[in-house]
Amino acid sequence: QVQLQESGPGLVKPSETLSLTCTVSGGSISSYYWSWIRQPAGKGLEWIGRIYTSGSTNYNPSLKSRVTMSVDTSKNQFSLKLSSVTAADTAVYYCARDTVVHNFDYWGQGTLVTVSS
Amino acid sequence: EIVMTQSPATLSVSPGERATLSCRASQSVSSNLAWYQQKPGQAPRLLIYGASTRATGIPARFSGSGSGTEFTLTISSLQSEDFAVYYCQQYNNWPPSLTFGGGTKVEIK
Repeated sequence: QVQLQESGPGLVKPSETLSLTCTVSGGSISSYYWSWIRQPAGKGLEWIGRIYTSGSTNYNPSLKSRVTMSVDTSKNQFSLKLSSVTAADTAVYYCARDTVVHNFDYWGQGTLVTVSS
Repeated sequence: EIVMTQSPATLSVSPGERATLSCRASQSVSSNLAWYQQKPGQAPRLLIYGASTRATGIPARFSGSGSGTEFTLTISSLQSEDFAVYYCQQYNNWPPSLTFGGGTKVEIK
């Protein structure tokens, strides 16, 4: 059974960079796409972007200028960096496995990131 | 960007009754649509993909239909564990992005 676990700081200051890592267990990270999705409290879901194990990426156009994703296959991990954060970036951030038809079959439990000074 | 609109925002249903949720796309997404269920404090769970194919382990009371711009998720006989928020998600417009609907909350009547 594939499991995903997000990790990273729960509090980030405005204008700084949010950094999260997702660790995949119970299966190999190789040969799959992996996505980040976020959800502000009480609101809907927003796809942030995805990365293939080759390092190829696709980002949500609305966030593209601030997003960087990377993958470390040796550690079965992939990561998200979101720069110049504001309070609007406060949300629960999920990592998820992205299937070949671009939906999400395995999810992490989510991690709350608050942007505040 | 394709906008996904779900209706109603809230659906009040009694246990054992049928629930019908709608999702409309601002342009055709063919059959490239998925449905998710989300309970409070939990990650979403994939229910349906390809508009009508149930994901692994999803009970037969969940069914999806539609194509193009109009989609429906039907829960044939609501169980207590089905009260949750449901989201649709399109993945036809690739690139540049995937988008989710705003969600429908199914609550106990």
